[in-house]
Amino acid sequence: EVQLVESGGGLVQPGGSLRLSCAASGFTFSRYWMTWVRQAPGKGLEWVANIKQDGSEKYYVDSVKGRFTISRDNAKNSLYLQMHNLRVEDTAVYYCASVRGFSGYDPLDYWGQGSLVTVSS
Amino acid sequence: DIQMTQSPSTLSAFIGDTVTITCRASQSISNYLAWYQHKPGKAPKLLIYKASNLESGVPSRFSGSGSGTAFTLTISSLQPDDFATYYCQQYKSNSQTFGQGTKVEIK
Repeated sequence: EVQLVESGGGLVQPGGSLRLSCAASGFTFSRYWMTWVRQAPGKGLEWVANIKQDGSEKYYVDSVKGRFTISRDNAKNSLYLQMHNLRVEDTAVYYCASVRGFSGYDPLDYWGQGSLVTVSS
Repeated sequence: DIQMTQSPSTLSAFIGDTVTITCRASQSISNYLAWYQHKPGKAPKLLIYKASNLESGVPSRFSGSGSGTAFTLTISSLQPDDFATYYCQQYKSNSQTFGQGTKVEIK
C-alpha cells in the first residue's frame, strides 16, 4: 500500500524557517517525480514545487522562489521542503504527492494527509 | 505560466441531479488535464486524467471531456458522497497549476 506521511509542520513567526518532510513507502520512490501542494485556510489548492527523480530538475511557483527549496533523499525514501523567510500568507496545509509516470507530465496519483504550517506572530 | 479558470465557484444541486463544471486554460494544454475531488480534512483524490480517462476505482458517474483550452467534468446522478470541492489541474508545463475550485453543495 502506498503511503505518504508528512511531518515537520507547526507554528513559526514571520521571517522564520521550517523544514517539512514526507516519508514515502509502498512504491519505488526513486522512480517518480514528487510534488508539494498547499491549501491556505479557506482557499483552493496551490501547486508549490516539484522535483525530478534524481533531483536534477526543480520547479517552483513564483511566490516561493528564492525562499523555498525542494529536495529528496532517495536512499531514505524521503521528500523535503525547506522554507525560509516565511510569510503570513504561507500559512497552509502542505501536501506531498507523487506524480504518476516517469516524465513529470502526469497527474498526482497519491497524496499524503497534509502538514499544517502556521506563520504568525 | 498557464492559468486555469473554473466555473462556477459554487454549485448547489439535489441528489440525483447531473452537474457540470467547466475549466478553461489560458493556452492550449492538449489533454494534459486532471480532475480531483477534495473533502475537508482529507487528501485530494484523483478522479480523471488525460482529460477524459477515469481513474481506477472511481464511479462511472464521473466523466471528463475536452481538449486544448476547454474542459468539463460531469457528475451524473449526484450521490451524497459527491458533495465536495472539485479542482482541475494542468500538467502540460513543469509549473503545474490548479483551477480555483468548485464547491458542490447540497440544495
